Amino acid sequence: EAQVTQNPRYLITVTGKKLTVTCSQNMNHEYMSWYRQDPGLGLRQIYYSMNVEVTDKGDVPEGYKVSRKEKRNFPLILESPSPNQTSLYFCASSLRTMAGYNEQFFGPGTRLTVL
Amino acid sequence: GENVEQHPSTLSVQEGDSAVIKCTYSDSASNYFPWYKQELGKRPQLIIDIRSNVGEKKDQRIAVTLNKTAKHFSLHITETQPEDSAVYFCAASQGNRLAFGKGNQVVVIP
Repeated sequence: EAQVTQNPRYLITVTGKKLTVTCSQNMNHEYMSWYRQDPGLGLRQIYYSMNVEVTDKGDVPEGYKVSRKEKRNFPLILESPSPNQTSLYFCASSLRTMAGYNEQFFGPGTRLTVL
Repeated sequence: GENVEQHPSTLSVQEGDSAVIKCTYSDSASNYFPWYKQELGKRPQLIIDIRSNVGEKKDQRIAVTLNKTAKHFSLHITETQPEDSAVYFCAASQGNRLAFGKGNQVVVIP
């Protein structure tokens, strides 16, 4: 089954304790992205990756890191989480063609609470 | 960067009526405009998209129209049903990034 998976789905942590949220897709998509969703603010892009070893900042990259060592995986790293990073996080992937963007497939989401 | 705005933020419609959500974008170079539906507690899912070389696209009860001159695009849902109740997000592509609007809550009243 074609899908995007994220782990963990729920996480409660404390300020300053490093954490990683994993994202994996089995559709051989070049493009992957991380978003955070907060009430009233919609989906805001954190980082995206056009392909292996190619990453770039989105609209709200502060406090986050990413890596793209393999095509299927795109982990999100919070080196020193703070309470303002409490949010619902979505990973997404899509196929890029010469016509440009195609449908982005979203993972199930990770609800993070930083105390 | 690209700025996408959605109006209205909340829309209530009677079952069977039509619903229209409008989005405006700022970057005239944007060329891809998807609409996503997010039901409560679930992930966003694409319902329809349109590219800048097309003015309108339909898929059963859903249609999207694009006005490049005015830089706005709209989602039209006809014969609304209770299962259409959700948050709808529009987005516009700017280079390698996809900018989303803040979402519209659509409530279909039985």
